[in-house]
Amino acid sequence: QKEVEQNSGPLSVPEGAIASLNCTYSDRGSQSFFWYRQYSGKSPELIMFIYSNGDKEDGRFTAQLNKASQYVSLLIRDSQPSDSATYLCAVKSAGGYQKVTFGIGTKLQVIP
Amino acid sequence: DAGVIQSPRHEVTEMGQEVTLRCKPISGHNSLFWYRQTMMRGLELLIYFNNNVPIDDSGMPEDRFSAKMPNASFSTLKIQPSEPRDSAVYFCASSPHGSNQPQHFGDGTRLSIL
Repeated sequence: QKEVEQNSGPLSVPEGAIASLNCTYSDRGSQSFFWYRQYSGKSPELIMFIYSNGDKEDGRFTAQLNKASQYVSLLIRDSQPSDSATYLCAVKSAGGYQKVTFGIGTKLQVIP
Repeated sequence: DAGVIQSPRHEVTEMGQEVTLRCKPISGHNSLFWYRQTMMRGLELLIYFNNNVPIDDSGMPEDRFSAKMPNASFSTLKIQPSEPRDSAVYFCASSPHGSNQPQHFGDGTRLSIL
């Protein structure tokens, strides 16, 4: 079992729709969760982070965390063609060592 | 603020040659990470430094890979001898101290070994 699992996609949604990106993790002690966006040929850039169970909203983005189910998701409302990218889920383990494990990433395509 | 700076941006070399990738972390960040990204395996952690000391090098593929961080503002990743299967994008990232701090990535080095 991979430590951080994501469906590689592509996930296609029409412009204006809600895109839902999902991630599961295996380390129950994980404490910090990040979503990065990576455009083709570019480096990952942080768009959201969440530490506590529940929802966290930032503009069109909402991160959701359910530690009991070991599940974290990212919702993108009013999807735009410019949101087309690969979204990487990253999970930081508990303890002093700051190891972050990345998922394979989900490729999102927003269709105009 | 200057971000993480990597050089070179692109490197094309022949199999067997030595390759050196360079990274300057964000000033004040005391954690530095080297990653390798391929289509098949995604983003893999190679090595992690904290306060210039290597903490976890379990991701370094084999003895052909080595990394150093002689001071807080500079790190190198060296491959000697290089092989075609080393072709990938290599990213350097840094973060401040603190368990909840995210990593900030450089633009990466696209390495092609012929």
